[in-house]
Amino acid sequence: GNSVTQMEGPVTLSEEAFLTINCTYTATGYPSLFWYVQYPGEGLQLLLKATKADDKGSNKGFEATYRKETTSFHLEKGSVQVSDSAVYFCALRGTGGFKTIFGAGTRLFVKA
Amino acid sequence: NAGVTQTPKFQVLKTGQSMTLQCAQDMNHEYMSWYRQDPGMGLRLIHYSVGAGITDQGEVPNGYNVSRSTTEDFPLRLLSAAPSQTSVYFCASSYSRGEVGTGELFFGEGSRLTVL
Repeated sequence: GNSVTQMEGPVTLSEEAFLTINCTYTATGYPSLFWYVQYPGEGLQLLLKATKADDKGSNKGFEATYRKETTSFHLEKGSVQVSDSAVYFCALRGTGGFKTIFGAGTRLFVKA
Repeated sequence: NAGVTQTPKFQVLKTGQSMTLQCAQDMNHEYMSWYRQDPGMGLRLIHYSVGAGITDQGEVPNGYNVSRSTTEDFPLRLLSAAPSQTSVYFCASSYSRGEVGTGELFFGEGSRLTVL
């Protein structure tokens, strides 16, 4: 079956540091890939998405590229801010269906 | 713009009690789902529905029941609460047609359940 694996946290960075959160997946066909973000005390909200190979999703300075050859969708940001402190979830929606499965989440702390 | 509304936000139950978590969405989404969030385990799918009258099991359905009588509502019932069901529960919805290929989920704010 489909699965998502993302790097364990927590990740602690200083403000303006470069961020990478790794995500790899297992799926048949061509799934859609997502990054969701959860701020403290809130529900999840979509950060970015990519629906086909080589697509790059981007939002709020975050980017991720759908790499089918390496089955990866790593999240990157060039310069993090304290306000980026949150839990980040990589997610996959399989071909032809609507069930979305999630990775375990990576907590990010950004220090001023 | 209400989006996805969950109630209650907090609930404490005793083992063996039953209760219903309510979820309503006003976006005319056909797809609705329930997840539970536990530390270190991400979100796990409990049940989902692709339209009124249609429901199916997710990864962790045992101990939970759902029904979908209207497009707007998708309640989650705990039949006989157990401490292992202590968790944060999220309802999420999305389009099923029209925006095929995106499938972005819209989440409620969550319901924190404690079973003693």
